[in-house]
Amino acid sequence: DAGVIQSPRHEVTEMGQEVTLRCKPISGHNSLFWYRQTMMRGLELLIYFNNNVPIDDSGMPEDRFSAKMPNASFSTLKIQPSEPRDSAVYFCASSSPGGRNGYTFGSGTRLTVV
Amino acid sequence: GNSVTQMEGPVTLSEEAFLTINCTYTATGYPSLFWYVQYPGEGLQLLLKATKADDKGSNKGFEATYRKETTSFHLEKGSVQVSDSAVYFCALHSGGTSYGKLTFGQGTILTVHP
Repeated sequence: DAGVIQSPRHEVTEMGQEVTLRCKPISGHNSLFWYRQTMMRGLELLIYFNNNVPIDDSGMPEDRFSAKMPNASFSTLKIQPSEPRDSAVYFCASSSPGGRNGYTFGSGTRLTVV
Repeated sequence: GNSVTQMEGPVTLSEEAFLTINCTYTATGYPSLFWYVQYPGEGLQLLLKATKADDKGSNKGFEATYRKETTSFHLEKGSVQVSDSAVYFCALHSGGTSYGKLTFGQGTILTVHP
């Protein structure tokens, strides 16, 4: 298995632009999680899905952030419009049914908004 | 609610020193417990896990024992190497209807000097 695949690995964009981050979970995993990591705030859970349905989006910082999971093999996190304070590493993770084996994380997308 | 508390870092050790990173938790029921490691520029990787009381998880020379009586899951290694320099996260999964969601500690930065 190729693991959780995120793209792009790095994204540099100008303030005000739309940014879309992509994630392909491990086949057979039915839960998907989006995290943001910064030095100041550490690891923050933004939103998570179970069987493609959003379960809890209370961690999404603002309406500028949205996430979708149209099918079991793909999810997107969109920021529109982007701001410099959105600069962070964004991680996607997936877990198998039951969750007792923990998560598998992707390698992350490092977003820089200038 | 569930919570995980890790010892505050950063932790700085010399090569071949003994390592302990403390982790205590609060959870209902019988959680599964995990240690994740994040090397510079990478995503979090599962280091070890334990799913029931008195279980010992081990990997790459690291060990942690699930102690229900003290609600702890301390990470230990007998002789650290420079390559162990990373951020270490303790986490728990409480089961039930949590959809696999993990609760993470704040992370402990470990630096090992030659």
